[in-house]
Amino acid sequence: EVQLVESGGGLVQPGGSLRLSCAASGFTFSSNWMSWVRQAPGKGLEWVANIKQDGGEKYYVDSVKGRFTISRDNAKNSLYLQMNSLRAEDTAVYYCARGGVFYYSWGQGTLVTVSS
Amino acid sequence: NFMLTQPHSVSESPGKTVTISCTRSSGSVASYYVQWYQQRPGSSPTTVIYEDNQRPSGVPGRFSGSIDSSSNSASLTISGLKTEDEADYYCQSYDNSNQGVFGGGTKLTVL
Repeated sequence: EVQLVESGGGLVQPGGSLRLSCAASGFTFSSNWMSWVRQAPGKGLEWVANIKQDGGEKYYVDSVKGRFTISRDNAKNSLYLQMNSLRAEDTAVYYCARGGVFYYSWGQGTLVTVSS
Repeated sequence: NFMLTQPHSVSESPGKTVTISCTRSSGSVASYYVQWYQQRPGSSPTTVIYEDNQRPSGVPGRFSGSIDSSSNSASLTISGLKTEDEADYYCQSYDNSNQGVFGGGTKLTVL
């Protein structure tokens, strides 16, 4: 069974940093593109970033370019999202998803709240 | 980039059939697969249709997807509606920039 378990969310002040993690199991992690998708409270889904199997290609939505960095550790079956210079508008549930441009499986999400 | 436009809400009675549309603003809908995700209140999204019209294992045959090049749109059809189908539904596609794009979501009410 595919499992994606996110962690690392929490309350952070504007301008602060947070690192999200996603532990994957039940599939061959190193053979899959992976993505982060977020959902602001009461809003729709927004793709944030994706990363190729070997980490050699990464893409970001314009609103996070230069502030967020996606990475992966295939030896640990783990996906990461380093978030710097956080803004109030980054407040959302962040989902880890298997896939690059479409998403076969989703985690349960981790809530990031940016507020003073 | 492009946009995917969905109706904000639809409603139908149990046992009936409902269709949710998703119109692509630019680029051919036939050139890039469309996916559909179901999100029940308080839950993570789940995939109900991938690659335009494929159902993951475990998704009932009542769910079907299609595309229409003439209107540059995709549709999700749910037949034999059940109260458990009440949820938000999102279409999603991509383009050559390797970026995913979601529609705004459609709230399905089964009443």
